[in-house]
Amino acid sequence: EPEVTQTPSHQVTQMGQEVILRCVPISNHLYFYWYRQILGQKVEFLVSFYNNEISEKSEIFDDQFSVERPDGSNFTLKIRSTKLEDSAMYFCASRRSNSNQPQHFGDGTRLSIL
Amino acid sequence: QKEVEQDPGPLSVPEGAIVSLNCTYSNSAFQYFMWYRQYSRKGPELLMYTYSSGNKEDGRFTAQVDKSSKYISLFIRDSQPSDSATYLCAMEGAGGTSYGKLTFGQGTILTVHP
Repeated sequence: EPEVTQTPSHQVTQMGQEVILRCVPISNHLYFYWYRQILGQKVEFLVSFYNNEISEKSEIFDDQFSVERPDGSNFTLKIRSTKLEDSAMYFCASRRSNSNQPQHFGDGTRLSIL
Repeated sequence: QKEVEQDPGPLSVPEGAIVSLNCTYSNSAFQYFMWYRQYSRKGPELLMYTYSSGNKEDGRFTAQVDKSSKYISLFIRDSQPSDSATYLCAMEGAGGTSYGKLTFGQGTILTVHP
């Protein structure tokens, strides 16, 4: 069964450094998402992306965050200058269309900011 | 009032028991309802996806939606130790700014002991 894959599984970064989290969505999917889950808290929406544009973003997704689909298979989340509070699990999700279709999630990247 | 409320548990049941997991919500715009299962250090795995009020069954799992009461449930019959996980409810609106963005509950930690 096709799945969403995320790399790396764990990323350790010094505060203030840039980090790029990578995702390969399911191949025929057109809608892409990033979520995060701080330890012990809810999964929170960050951003949705379709047709090479951001469709919607949350208040969390400030100027330090950006997303990109650099080629036909990858979908990336960049944090420009990481803060301690960016430590969390980051999940990528995708779905085929935005009409009555569920989102499928990857296993996440655990981001630890030191 | 939180948009989605879910009792975090933990919930511990013997093998073979019927498990009932519940979420309430306050946002009338939510039209799509999901249950995800999350094992430790893994991403959310889709279990059930529903739209209309009523019941939907898939094997040992039954999802129930009551839009008038803003209440959804997941029932697990003949629970197994392998069902031990965190169960997340998630909701999505149709149209407007909430479309595509999933709003999650806190998650209920379930342990099924042999």
